[in-house]
Amino acid sequence: KAGVTQTPRYLIKTRGQQVTLSCSPISGHRSVSWYQQTPGQGLQFLFEYFSETQRNKGNFPGRFSGRQFSNSRSEMNVSTLELGDSALYLCASSEAGTSTDTQYFGPGTRLTVL
Amino acid sequence: GENVEQHPSTLSVQEGDSAVIKCTYSDSASNYFPWYKQELGKRPQLIIDIRSNVGEKKDQRIAVTLNKTAKHFSLHITETQPEDSAVYFCAASKGKYSSASKIIFGSGTRLSIRP
Repeated sequence: KAGVTQTPRYLIKTRGQQVTLSCSPISGHRSVSWYQQTPGQGLQFLFEYFSETQRNKGNFPGRFSGRQFSNSRSEMNVSTLELGDSALYLCASSEAGTSTDTQYFGPGTRLTVL
Repeated sequence: GENVEQHPSTLSVQEGDSAVIKCTYSDSASNYFPWYKQELGKRPQLIIDIRSNVGEKKDQRIAVTLNKTAKHFSLHITETQPEDSAVYFCAASKGKYSSASKIIFGSGTRLSIRP
């Protein structure tokens, strides 16, 4: 099976803009989770989607949102970008999204906000 | 709130020696503890995991131990090799089949293997 893919791989935006990132899970996986990775904060959980529904959300402001489509592909959107949003955004998919499922990570999208 | 603390943040060991990374979790309901390895410029990959009904698990040179009473778990790498150099993340999650997945990660340990 093909692995988790994310597009684009790199993005440069300016403050105040918005951005949409895309994640295609492994075929058959219904759960997609998003994480923000920064050198200082490690891996921070953003949210998790399962069958087009957001099931869990981390402690991020409302500027961060997401959605999942019927084919399990997921997008996350960040509006009104701030300098501190510069990070590597990783998505991970798992079969059923249970707490003991193995999560398979995508290569990430590196977002730079100028 | 839920928290996972990981130590040390950096670790340098001589090739062939052992490396130990320790994590402590705050939520006593946590029941699943995966470890991920992230090589430079690559995605995190699961290397070993343990469930709360098991005290220890081994996979070749890698082992994980869990102490539920103390709420801490550790990763042990024996006979370290240059390819073990990476950032290692511990994580903890809870819930069962009908629960949403919410994994809390530790802050990571940068392991360097000295030749």
